[in-house]
Formats: sequence, C-alpha cells, structure tokens
Amino acid sequence: GAVVSQHPSWVICKSGTSVKIECRSLDFQATTMFWYRQFPKQSLMLMATSNEGSKATYEQGVEKDKFLINHASLTLSTLTVTSAHPEDSSFYICSASRQLNTGELFFGEGSRLTVL
Amino acid sequence: KNQVEQSPQSLIILEGKNCTLQCNYTVSPFSNLRWYKQDTGRGPVSLTIMTFSENTKSNGRYTATLDADTKQSSLHITASQLSDSASYICVVSGLTGGGNKLTFGTGTQLKVEL
Repeated sequence: GAVVSQHPSWVICKSGTSVKIECRSLDFQATTMFWYRQFPKQSLMLMATSNEGSKATYEQGVEKDKFLINHASLTLSTLTVTSAHPEDSSFYICSASRQLNTGELFFGEGSRLTVL
Repeated sequence: KNQVEQSPQSLIILEGKNCTLQCNYTVSPFSNLRWYKQDTGRGPVSLTIMTFSENTKSNGRYTATLDADTKQSSLHITASQLSDSASYICVVSGLTGGGNKLTFGTGTQLKVEL
C-alpha cells in the first residue's frame, strides 16, 4: 500500500512560536492532500484541501492565516501553525490521494502538537 | 446538510465475540462509503471502500454492507481480537461540482476485553 509520512510525530512548543508539520507521500505522487485536526475522543475534522501548485481550500471556520498550507510538490505538503497558542494543541493528521479531490486516501501517522 | 451518524458511540465486547457497527448518512449525491480503523494516537487505516452498486465487501474478519436506498452501512467484526480495539470511522464521499467531498462520522470506539 501507499505510504504517507508525517514529521514530526510529536512537538512541544512555547506559546507564540510557529510550528511546521510535513506530510510526504513516499512512493506515489499525491495530487491532493488533506489536513485534519482531531481532539481527544473525537473524529477527524477536515481543515483544508490542497492541490499541488494551487492555493489550499479551507473549511469554514478554519483561519487560513493561522494555519498556512503549502503544497509545493506532488510529494510534499506542509502545515504551519503560526503564533501557536495552547488551544491549538491537538493531533494533526494529513492524508494524500493520487486523484484530484477523490480516490483512495492514505493517511499519515499524525503529529501531536502541544503548546505550552 | 450532509451528515454521517455512527452508532453506538462506544462498545465493549469480550474477545472472540462478534459485533456490528452502524453508519447512517444523508450525503447526496452519493459516490462511495469508506470504513477506517484508527488506533489511538495513529492515523486511520482503510478497511473497505464501497460504491453504489456494492452491497457487501469483506476484508478478513471485517465485513461491510451498504444499502444505498436506505443510506445505511454496517461494519461487522467476526471473532474479535484484542487488537481490534480502536475507533472505527465511517466516511461518505459525495459528488459535488468540484469533485468528491468527504463527510466524516464521529466514530465508534470499540474496546475488546479478555
């Protein structure tokens, strides 16, 4: 099966700093990548959809200036949480698809962010 | 509004027993329905993907059913094992003008005990 890698798997940062999370498709080209956040005992909440080479499409209520998404290549997307605050502490997961906006989804292992 | 509702919210069963998880959806037009297993602190892993014309699909001890008329799906786990303890998420893909749009269920938390 296709492999999606996230890095870092966990990160602790001080309030006010920015944190970058990488999502890489290791053995396939991901036309579309999705970013989610997940709070304890809740399901995944889609934050944004990014297609390679174009601006990300954010879900309602997600601040695009707060959560910067870059999908510069077919194998790499990054999520930057800017000026992080304790309420941004969460589990962030990415998924990748070979086909534009559809198709089989391959999830990364997730990145746990803790903001002190 | 497209919605995906799962039941029960949580479930505890004894090892070796069977169980069935339910998923009801209102997503329309429908494209496909997926079941994922998510271990605590890990990313989801795909179990099955079912399209409109598929009624049943199996993956080892997991069997998913789909009734597109009543907009219901179930995931049946046979001879449960301790490693089946996880969250099971139903995701429905709906057709939109820009492609498929995924709607996630809130998941069923399954715990398998000795």
